[in-house]
Amino acid sequence: AQKITQTQPGMFVQEKEAVTLDCTYDTSDPSYGLFWYKQPSSGEMIFLIYQGSYDQQNATEGRYSLNFQKARKSANLVISASQLGDSAMYFCAMREGGEYGNKLVFGAGTILRVKS
Amino acid sequence: AAGVIQSPRHLIKEKRETATLKCYPIPRHDTVYWYQQGPGQDPQFLISFYEKMQSDKGSIPDRFSAQQFSDYHSELNMSSLELGDSALYFCASSSILEDTQYFGPGTRLTVL
Repeated sequence: AQKITQTQPGMFVQEKEAVTLDCTYDTSDPSYGLFWYKQPSSGEMIFLIYQGSYDQQNATEGRYSLNFQKARKSANLVISASQLGDSAMYFCAMREGGEYGNKLVFGAGTILRVKS
Repeated sequence: AAGVIQSPRHLIKEKRETATLKCYPIPRHDTVYWYQQGPGQDPQFLISFYEKMQSDKGSIPDRFSAQQFSDYHSELNMSSLELGDSALYFCASSSILEDTQYFGPGTRLTVL
């Protein structure tokens, strides 16, 4: 069963505008973590933001914020003031369980293109 | 800040050859993970180690093996390489104090 769903294969956004990348997840575990990673064309995986299942507030890291709606099982990434350098593949991922050494399960990704 | 180091960055092998990928985690990180990302795909978990012991295993072929050494670096050994093993192989590390996995730059393996 698909655990992480990213329904937007590709997105366009105008430079300096905000964009929301969607992510829904499926788990029955009460303890889990949600992550967003950025993968530019060069290939590296860059950590952007993390949300724990018990966190009361939405996570923010600079221009990135995570819109966490637990009841809907969604963890959308919001990028404010888009820049040309934001053009990349974005992956949503989930870690289940409270034990250490647990793997990440990734969604299929969303390609974001920022237009000047 | 120090990041995860992977070597080599690029590797070209012939079918049926062997390959060894190395990973040096962020200092004081105790857990290492290996992921495989095929062309146009999302990363798939292979195996992880916590304090030098295997902690989790994913869809890792029997032809692959891995271990974590006393200095916490890890090696992924791949034998009888097949064309389908061509992929980007990531190592990631994390600390018991933090949930986040930090990825290395990856090793791009091409099997001809």
